[in-house]
Order: sequence, then C-alpha cells, then structure tokens
Amino acid sequence: DVKVTQSSRYLVKRTGEKVFLECVQDMDHENMFWYRQDPGLGLRLIYFSYDVKMKEKGDIPEGYSVSREKKERFSLILESASTNQTSMYLCASSGQGEYGYTFGSGTRLTVV
Amino acid sequence: KQEVTQIPAALSVPEGENLVLNCSFTDSAIYNLQWFRQDPGKGLTSLLLIQSSQREQTSGRLNASLDKSSGRSTLYIAASQPGDSATYLCAVVVTGTYKYIFGTGTRLKVLA
Repeated sequence: DVKVTQSSRYLVKRTGEKVFLECVQDMDHENMFWYRQDPGLGLRLIYFSYDVKMKEKGDIPEGYSVSREKKERFSLILESASTNQTSMYLCASSGQGEYGYTFGSGTRLTVV
Repeated sequence: KQEVTQIPAALSVPEGENLVLNCSFTDSAIYNLQWFRQDPGKGLTSLLLIQSSQREQTSGRLNASLDKSSGRSTLYIAASQPGDSATYLCAVVVTGTYKYIFGTGTRLKVLA
C-alpha cells in the first residue's frame, strides 16, 4: 500500500514565523501535491511537483513556497506565517500515468 | 474552467437505506474520476477510481458510475451503516494536467 506521511498532525505557530510542513511518500511516485482545506471553500491546490526539483504553482500559491530535493519528499514552506494561513494542509502523491491520488492524514496548522 | 459540483451538500438517512451521492463536472475531457471519504479532522481515503474509459467500479457495498458525456458520476452505497457517516468528495483530473479538481463534498450522516 502506498503511504503518504505528513510529519505533524497539529502545529501551532506564531505570526511571522517560518514554518515547514513535510510530506514523504514511499512508493516512488513522480507527482506530489499540497492542498489546503477550509470550510466552505473545499480543497484548493497550493503547489505541485511532477519531478525532483520541479514545481508548479497551483491556484493559491501566494505566501507559500515548496522544495523537492528528493523524489520521496515534498516540503511546503510558509515564509512568514500569517493568521489567514490557519488551515488544514493535505499532501498527496500519484504515479506517472496512474492518476489516482493517495493522501496523507493532514496537518492542522494554527497561526496565532 | 472545470467545475465540480456535489449535491446535496448534506444528507441524513436511517441505517439500512440504499443511497446515491451525485457529482457533476462541466468539462467532459477528463482522465479519471476518484471518490474519497473524509472523516472529521482526518485526511482523505480513496474509495474508488474510475478511468475515463470505464463506466463503473465496485468495492464491497460501494458502486461508482461515470457518464462522461453528461458530466455525471454517482456513488451508490448499499445498506448504509452508521460507520459510513463521513464527508464524501469526488474529484476529476482534467485531460493534459496532473492535478485534481475537487467538489465541495456531501456530508453524510447515517442514523442508528
């Protein structure tokens, strides 16, 4: 079974802090994604990557950056956390030519 | 631009009922459609993946159908149980992209 692991289930950070959210998958998937989920707005794509060191902006990239130095790891970075970035963050991966997603269990981030 | 709609937004049924959840999408040029389940505060669990060339997929008490020409998919749950209570999301991959577009979900409650 594909496993996607997000390093933290819950995080509380202060406004202005630099925040790293880590995601690791163990099935050699090429594609990885970061979404945020908010009530009434559904899942919105922040960034995705289809190969090591490759990244593309999703629908709401402002205030975020990403890093993919190794195939199995995709990091989401909040350069200077703000209260409007309080949300549930979900990581997903999929293989090339096989477009089913596997999701991690999510990170609930609160910025105070 | 692809839009995915799920109706109803919420549904409450007595245990044992058969039920149908609906998903519609505006652009029929899709690679596949995937149904997910999400429990409160958790990540998304894949239920069924239907490739664009397929008409339906089945897993246990779940059956998902796909009609690309009409832009519709249904998720049929047979003999519902309280453990089926969750939010159900559908998502499509648009042809030529790797990324999913999600509906906002149907929140299902099965009453014992």
